[in-house]
Amino acid sequence: DTAVSQTPKYLVTQMGNDKSIKCEQNLGHDTMYWYKQDSKKFLKIMFSYNNKELIINETVPNRFSPKSPDKAHLNLHINSLELGDSAVYFCASSQSSGGVEETQYFGPGTRLLVL
Amino acid sequence: SQKIEQNSEALNIQEGKTATLTCNYTNYSPAYLQWYRQDPGRGPVFLLLIRENEKEKRKERLKVTFDTTLKQSLFHITASQPADSATYLCALWHNTDKLIFGTGTRLQVFP
Repeated sequence: DTAVSQTPKYLVTQMGNDKSIKCEQNLGHDTMYWYKQDSKKFLKIMFSYNNKELIINETVPNRFSPKSPDKAHLNLHINSLELGDSAVYFCASSQSSGGVEETQYFGPGTRLLVL
Repeated sequence: SQKIEQNSEALNIQEGKTATLTCNYTNYSPAYLQWYRQDPGRGPVFLLLIRENEKEKRKERLKVTFDTTLKQSLFHITASQPADSATYLCALWHNTDKLIFGTGTRLQVFP
């Protein structure tokens, strides 16, 4: 039973292309997140959604557009890909947002390489 | 500026010894800290949470301490095993709306 799943696992594409990453959680959680982990392994939050509503947008370029069709899914669409977008993107979920004792459950990551 | 720093990028120890990882934070006042483990090619996995009013928390061979005066958390793995080799991340909630991760420490346990 996969708790948080992401597709695709690997994504290799050319600069300027548009691509999407999908995430699904079967934990019944209300909140979902997108994180970016760079080449130095630093993990930084990009977005979070609570019950399909955007609650955090961490000054991410507007080429990145998250969409949450329902609370179990959070997708990330990236327009006009740039070399600097190469990273591992992790989806995560938690029971709710704002709870200081919330633990997060992470997906396996999507490795994006922009050539 | 706000920072969360973990003591070293990499830590190598011999099997059976105790590994001690450090997490220092600046200009945060977290009510609690979390520790995660990340294996290569995988997402982080939650290990332990410690609240500000708890000095110490244990789970099997893991022990975490939290000193709000020093602004530091220590993460110990006793009787370490090669299977403990991974990157360990500390994290704290900021403004109750997002989790901020430290820089991570890559632990390598040699047989």
